[in-house]
Amino acid sequence: AQKVTQAQTEISVVEKEDVTLDCVYETRDTTYYLFWYKQPPSGELVFLIRRNSFDEQNEISGRYSWNFQKSTSSFNFTITASQVVDSAVYFCALSEAYFGNEKLTFGTGTRLTIIP
Amino acid sequence: GAGVSQSPRYKVAKRGQDVALRCDPISGHVSLFWYQQALGQGPEFLTYFQNEAQLDKSGLPSDRFFAERPEGSVSTLKIQRTQQEDSAVYLCASSAGGLAGYEQYFGPGTRLTVT
Repeated sequence: AQKVTQAQTEISVVEKEDVTLDCVYETRDTTYYLFWYKQPPSGELVFLIRRNSFDEQNEISGRYSWNFQKSTSSFNFTITASQVVDSAVYFCALSEAYFGNEKLTFGTGTRLTIIP
Repeated sequence: GAGVSQSPRYKVAKRGQDVALRCDPISGHVSLFWYQQALGQGPEFLTYFQNEAQLDKSGLPSDRFFAERPEGSVSTLKIQRTQQEDSAVYLCASSAGGLAGYEQYFGPGTRLTVT
C-alpha cells in the first residue's frame, strides 16, 4: 500500500523568508511518480511538478525548488523569498506505475500562510 | 483552451435524495478521475476511467456511489440516498495519460452539502 505523509499541518512565515514543505512517502514499487499540487483559496488544485523514481536530480523553477531523496523517501519543496501569493494548501502525491493504476495518493496537505 | 469543468459547483441535498455530479474533462484526455475531499483533508481517490472503461472503482465508499463515462468524454458521478457523511467536495481530474505518471488536471469541484 502506498502512503504519503506531510507532517507539517500549518506553517506561517513572514514575506521574503524561505520555507520548506516536507513530504515523506511509502511504496513497495521501484517505479513510481511523485507530484506537488497547490490549492489556493479558490479551491482548484494546480499542478506544480512531477518526478519519476529514477530521476533524483533536484529541480529549480524560479523561486520553487524540489529535493528528491530516495534514501530517505522524501520529496521536499522549498519556496525561496516567499510572497503573499504563495499562501495556499500544498499537497504532495504519489502514483505507482503499473497498468490500470493511475490514481494519486495524496498527503493531508500543509497550509502555508505568508504574512505581509 | 478550456480546462476541466464541473457542474453544479454547489449542491445542497436533503438526506435520502439522489444527486448527479457532472464532469467535462479536457478535450482528448484519455483518463478521468473522481476524488472526494473532506474539509481539511487531502483528496481521496474514488474511481477512474480510461476512455469509457472503468478500470478502478476501489475507492467508492459504498454501493450508493456509481460513476459512468459512456462515450469516453463526459462523466457523471451519482450518489443515491445521500447521507450526511457524503458531504464533501467532489473533484474531477483528467489526464492525457493511459499510463501512470501523467499529470492530472483538476476541475473546481462540486461542494455537496447533505442536510
